[in-house]
Amino acid sequence: AQKVTQAQTEISVVEKEDVTLDCVYETRDTTYYLFWYKQPPSGELVFLIRRNSFDEQNEISGRYSWNFQKSTSSFNFTITASQVVDSAVYFCALSEAGSGGYNKLIFGAGTRLAVHP
Amino acid sequence: DARVTQTPRDKVTEMGQEVTMRCQPILGHNTVFWYRQTMMQGLELLAYFRNRAPLDDSGMPKDRFSAEMPDATLATLKIQPSEPRDSAVYFCASGLAPGFTEAFFGQGTRLTVV
Repeated sequence: AQKVTQAQTEISVVEKEDVTLDCVYETRDTTYYLFWYKQPPSGELVFLIRRNSFDEQNEISGRYSWNFQKSTSSFNFTITASQVVDSAVYFCALSEAGSGGYNKLIFGAGTRLAVHP
Repeated sequence: DARVTQTPRDKVTEMGQEVTMRCQPILGHNTVFWYRQTMMQGLELLAYFRNRAPLDDSGMPKDRFSAEMPDATLATLKIQPSEPRDSAVYFCASGLAPGFTEAFFGQGTRLTVV
């Protein structure tokens, strides 16, 4: 069965600090997809990134970077030089491609990030 | 700018009333999800559809909840009768399977049952 664990419930940092949000997943499939979403105080869920299980290259987009390691079943998200606007709840999600999962999209519990001026 | 559209954005209703939430997925997406978000349970998957066919609705209380896709441009989630414990934000999301290179959410319907 698929499962996503975000062990950090809340993180508080001061602006310009780097912060890493952890995500550990469980799946029996060899083909799967991992996602990160951001939920700012306004409430909408914003798609940030999607990775497939065959691509372990790290990705960088501006101040955001993602580290995917199959050996540890982790897909961690780092924000460099955090800003107040990064304050939000961040969700990690998993979708199995196997026939049993039919691409169900399952979310972790989320990590609330507070960036203080 | 393609987006998932949900209506209504906010709904306040009395216990026992029927509630219908609607979702217009992104054109061309073949998968639609319904999620419920509460402080206690986080984001729970209620049901999802592929090419309008229900794949899994095991997350829904069957006695009062129902989800349908009358056509490719409309998904509905109904609660009858509603109860105060149904108060939550209900999200619809659509994506293109397999792989979900895109998987986008609507803005949600905030339901309050009094």
